[in-house]
Amino acid sequence: EVQLVESGGGLVKPGSSLKLSCVASGFTFSSYGMHWIRQAPKKGLEWIALIYYDSSNKYYADSVKGRFTISRDNSKNTLYLEMNSLRSEDTAMYYCAKSVSPDYWGQGVMVTVSS
Amino acid sequence: DIQMTQSPSFLSASVGDRVTINCKASQNINKYLNWYQQKLGEAPKRLIYNTNNLQTGIPSRFSGSGSGTDYTLTISSLQPEDFATYFCLQHNSFPMYTFGAGTKLELK
Repeated sequence: EVQLVESGGGLVKPGSSLKLSCVASGFTFSSYGMHWIRQAPKKGLEWIALIYYDSSNKYYADSVKGRFTISRDNSKNTLYLEMNSLRSEDTAMYYCAKSVSPDYWGQGVMVTVSS
Repeated sequence: DIQMTQSPSFLSASVGDRVTINCKASQNINKYLNWYQQKLGEAPKRLIYNTNNLQTGIPSRFSGSGSGTDYTLTISSLQPEDFATYFCLQHNSFPMYTFGAGTKLELK
């Protein structure tokens, strides 16, 4: 059974940093591209980052480019999202999702940016 | 960016009803359209991929259709477990994927 479990969220102040993790199981993690997708309160879903199976390519939404970094450790079956210079508008539930055409998603982790 | 307009935003229906949910893209997305179901506190679940392909394990009462800019999710006979939020995702404009705003399906 495919499982994706996010962690690392919390309440942080504007300008601070946070690193999210997504631990994968139930499939060959090293064979699949992975996404980060977020949903702000009472807003729609927003794709924010994609990393290829071998980390050879990484893509970002304009809203996070230069502030967020997606990475992965295939030896640990773990996807990461390093978030710097956080803003109030980054407050959202953050999901990781498997495959270039997202099939399985985690349950999400909440990030709140507030002073 | 490709904009996805999903309708309706809310839908009230009864068990046994046939319902349809629509997504309209701002340009041709070549059938690269997925449908998802999300229940409160749960991970989104993919129902349909590439317009009309049923995800393994999803009941056949779910179906998808469409082409060009217009796509539809149909639930042929609503079951109690189908009351949830549904959203579409276009993945034609790799990797700048965009989502519909969602449809909340409620029990009438």
